Amino acid sequence: QLVQSGAEVRKPGASVKVSCKASGYIFANYGISWVRQAPGQGLEWMGWISAYTGNTDYAQKFQGRVILTTDTSTSTASMELRSLRSDDTAVYYCARSITARYFYMDVWGNGTSFTVSS
Amino acid sequence: EIVLTQSPGTLSLSPGERATLSCRASQSVRSNYLAWYQQKPGQAPRLLIYGASNRATGIPDRFSGSGSGTDFTLTISRLEPEDFAVYYCQQYDSSLWTFGQGTKVEI
Repeated sequence: QLVQSGAEVRKPGASVKVSCKASGYIFANYGISWVRQAPGQGLEWMGWISAYTGNTDYAQKFQGRVILTTDTSTSTASMELRSLRSDDTAVYYCARSITARYFYMDVWGNGTSFTVSS
Repeated sequence: EIVLTQSPGTLSLSPGERATLSCRASQSVRSNYLAWYQQKPGQAPRLLIYGASNRATGIPDRFSGSGSGTDFTLTISRLEPEDFAVYYCQQYDSSLWTFGQGTKVEI
């Protein structure tokens, strides 16, 4: 399973870091994607990181503003989002990602809600 | 970037009826890279189908996926009360993942 850190509130221009702790599988054998969902909206992919190599792919929209990292010693993935704006208010999910013969997200975290407000 | 367009936006059906959800891609998608998810209010998405037609572990056989190229379909053969939710398709191409905008299946 994937357990995420708790809800956050930030002011515009600030940064936030969300963690995602994995258990029940070999963390380094999979990647982790980050997906967000604004209130009442659909799912939006932000980026992916290989837990083994640390290689990353980012959606162009978030390039330069999001940093994905992993710590294999604690089986934890993290997502840092900088220069927050009000439209970053959303629920953020981490998801275990299969990236071999098939590409899909099979285990999802519980979600972290963060609000950006002055 | 491949854009996925789902239709209809909302599907109003009754328990026991058949639901047919469409996902159309702006360019051809490799079937192995197409998945479907179900999301209920206040919950994280749940994987239903991967590789366009393979049911994920524990998914009932009333859910089926089909299609290739630019046109994919999720079919729920007989709707159960717990199937009323929002459904998303997702694809992967050239290091980018994208989701469709979702189809809401409502009573």
